This record gives sequence, structure tokens and C-alpha cells, in this order.
Amino acid sequence: DQQVKQNSPSLSVQEGRISILNCDYTNSMFDYFLWYKKYPAEGPTFLISISSIKDKNEDGRFTVFLNKSAKHLSLHIVPSQPGDSAVYFCAASVEGAQKLVFGQGTRLTINP
Amino acid sequence: SQTIHQWPATLVQPVGSPLSLECTVEGTSNPNLYWYRQAAGRGLQLLFYSVGIGQISSEVPQNLSASRPQDRQFILSSKKLLLSDSGFYLCAWSVRGSGSPLHFGNGTRLTVT
Repeated sequence: DQQVKQNSPSLSVQEGRISILNCDYTNSMFDYFLWYKKYPAEGPTFLISISSIKDKNEDGRFTVFLNKSAKHLSLHIVPSQPGDSAVYFCAASVEGAQKLVFGQGTRLTINP
Repeated sequence: SQTIHQWPATLVQPVGSPLSLECTVEGTSNPNLYWYRQAAGRGLQLLFYSVGIGQISSEVPQNLSASRPQDRQFILSSKKLLLSDSGFYLCAWSVRGSGSPLHFGNGTRLTVT
């Protein structure tokens, strides 16, 4: 049972435009959500997170939006840069649990 | 600052051979430790996690096992590898408690032939 889903395996965006990565979840007990970025042959690096008590969190070019009623979160990157080309994973956890559940990832390609 | 070391970076092993991947964390005490696997074209699957020495939780039944002999050391093992064990294995740590980001090592690319 895939509790965290990223339905778009890939996304291509022009440099300078906005990249929007989407993630859906099924477990209503999730209360903490994170986005990770992964380059080939490297481990994922933490980007940004959001608690379920918020609907938006911003950090520089990265903003995460959470819609609890729709069980949906998104990551906005603006403006997109070539170095943003990577695989992006969303992840979620339940309060009290010591582990993260990851989505399948979305490969973002920024075109010059 | 905290660092995580994972080795080897790449490994090619024949079917039926044993496996031992090691991960160590520096600069923190009592971390949670994790082993994830990324199979080709798939997401990150949690294999094992540990909240303390000797405490291992298994998420997926398989022929792999994990051990935590020291506070900051986490080992992934197998007695006999299968072709399906090929993948990218990632060790991670987090601060004890829920709601903490995981910090990953650079991974081990395992190819079982």
C-alpha cells in the first residue's frame, strides 16, 4: 500500500520558470511532511519541511504548500535553475513514529 | 558537525555470497539509524530502523538483517544474496524523536550477478 504517492515520474521546466512538484498521501495520521532532493549516485538531501499545523512554509526559492483536506502537498521552486535538475522525493511521518515514508520520486529537468 | 559515513560506494557480488554494509555516524549521540533501499526506477523503501543499541525494527521481510553493535554504527547483512537484492542502499540518521529530518549517507550501489 503506497501511502505517499508522486504520480508524475518526470517533469521538464524551462530555466527561470516555476517548477511545481506534487505529492498525495492517504494516511490522515501523517503530521509532518518533507521534501528531499537527490542527485545520481548520492544520498538524498533534506530541502524543506512542513508541519500539519501550517499550510505553507517558505525557504528562499523553495515553498511547500500543504492542503490537508485534499491530502496533498506541493513543492514550488522559483525561479528554477539548472542545478535544480534532480529527483525529488516527498516524505511523511506520523507523530510518535521514528520513521519516514517516501514517495516514488519525480525527476525534474531544468532546460536552459 | 554531524557526518555519516557509508561504505563501500559500489559492490558487485555473486548470487549466494554474503553481504556486509557498514554505516557510522559522527558528531551526535543516541541517533536513530535507518537502512533504505532504492531499487531501479522505484522510490525509497525502508528496510530497518533502530532507536538504540541492539534495537532493530524490520519493515520488510526478506533475506537481509541489520545490527547495531554500537551507538553510532549500523550494519546491513545477508547470508546469501539474491539477484533481487541489487539496488542502491542508503544509510541515514536522525535526532531521536519524531518529526526530525533524516540525513543520508552517499549510498552503496550493490549489483548481484
